Amino acid sequence: EVQLVESGGGLIQPGGSLRLSCAASGFTVSSNYMIWVRQAPGKGLEWVSVLYRGGSTKYADSVRGRFTTSRDNSKNTLYLQMNSLGAEDTAVYYCARDPTTMKDALDIWGQGTMVTVSS
Amino acid sequence: QSVLTQPPSVSAAPGQKVTISCSGSSSNIGNNYVSWYQQLPGTAPKLLIYDNDNRPSGIPDRFSGSKSGTSATLGITGLQTGDEADYYCGTWDSSLSGYVFGTGTKVTVL
Repeated sequence: EVQLVESGGGLIQPGGSLRLSCAASGFTVSSNYMIWVRQAPGKGLEWVSVLYRGGSTKYADSVRGRFTTSRDNSKNTLYLQMNSLGAEDTAVYYCARDPTTMKDALDIWGQGTMVTVSS
Repeated sequence: QSVLTQPPSVSAAPGQKVTISCSGSSSNIGNNYVSWYQQLPGTAPKLLIYDNDNRPSGIPDRFSGSKSGTSATLGITGLQTGDEADYYCGTWDSSLSGYVFGTGTKVTVL
């Protein structure tokens, strides 16, 4: 079965760090563009980052310099390292796949993991 | 923050049709492909339409997509209670060098 499973969310104090994981099954992470999207409580979807097949990355202005996306090919897993967290980063974080067979569409989504930044 | 504008809500009776608009610009919709997502309450988004007007396997033909210029439209015919959800458009923005999503539209079945 093709699926993504996120983990690593939780309650973290302002200024802290957290690393999210996104384990893939049924397909190869490194063969696709992999995306992080977040959704603040009661709000819409916000793109966070993309990791390209070649390993390069792009980030939203709101997280650039604080968040880092990476992958471990041996574990077929995507990561999001989040540093200097603030209340504005409180959200459900989803990982998603942008397959080569579609143009900028996200066909597989994880179930999401909640990150709460609060003292 | 969203660069793609959608109506906050649309509603119709069961069996009727609704359309959801998504307005952007030449840096996003005008020169890139549009996708549409359905988000049922408490769940992750699900891809409904890709490449402007294509349905993934398993998506019923009650859902359709179109694009014209810098706007896109999602249509839902034969509305069902199970269609009550939030719907988002999405695309790539060449100026921002990132994905962008619409503001989201809540569909209510009366």
